[in-house]
Amino acid sequence: QKEVEQDPGPLSVPEGAIVSLNCTYSNSAFQYFMWYRQYSRKGPELLMYTYSSGNKEDGRFTAQVDKSSKYISLFIRDSQPSDSATYLCAMSVNYGQNFVFGPGTRLSVLP
Amino acid sequence: DTGVSQNPRHKITKRGQNVTFRCDPISEHNRLYWYRQTLGQGPEFLTYFQNEAQLEKSRLLSDRFSAERPKGSFSTLEIQRTEQGDSAMYLCASSLAAGLSGELFFGEGSRLTVL
Repeated sequence: QKEVEQDPGPLSVPEGAIVSLNCTYSNSAFQYFMWYRQYSRKGPELLMYTYSSGNKEDGRFTAQVDKSSKYISLFIRDSQPSDSATYLCAMSVNYGQNFVFGPGTRLSVLP
Repeated sequence: DTGVSQNPRHKITKRGQNVTFRCDPISEHNRLYWYRQTLGQGPEFLTYFQNEAQLEKSRLLSDRFSAERPKGSFSTLEIQRTEQGDSAMYLCASSLAAGLSGELFFGEGSRLTVL
């Protein structure tokens, strides 16, 4: 079992839809959680960063962490074609140390 | 542009040759990370530095790989005697060791193709 799992997709949705992206993990010691967006042949771009459990909202994006279930989610409201990318979750045990990434979910938002 | 800069962006080499990648982090960031990413996979951690000290190395980092950060600013990643399995995107990221959070900011990556 991999330490961090994501459905690789591809996930296709119509423009304007609400998108739900998820990661599960096995290491209960993870405390720091991030979501990245990666366009083809580009470096990952940080979207959201959360510590421990709870919700965080930033514009159209909401990140949720449920440590009891070892499950994190990213919601994208009013999805746009420009949101089409691969979404990576990442997490670490200690502040600033090695982050473990999921394999990514490929999202396509169709106009 | 004050983001993370990586060079070269793409390197094609023959098996057995040595290659070196350079990373210039965001200027005030004292932590620097190297990751490797293959097609369809997430980045895999290789190593990280705090200032000039290399604090952690992954088991993925074989003896053919060496990373340095001589003055706590830029870093180099050298791969000796390259193999076809080394073909990947090599990503550099930087962060602040202290502050509000420890987010990683990535460069655009250096793509290695070993023929």
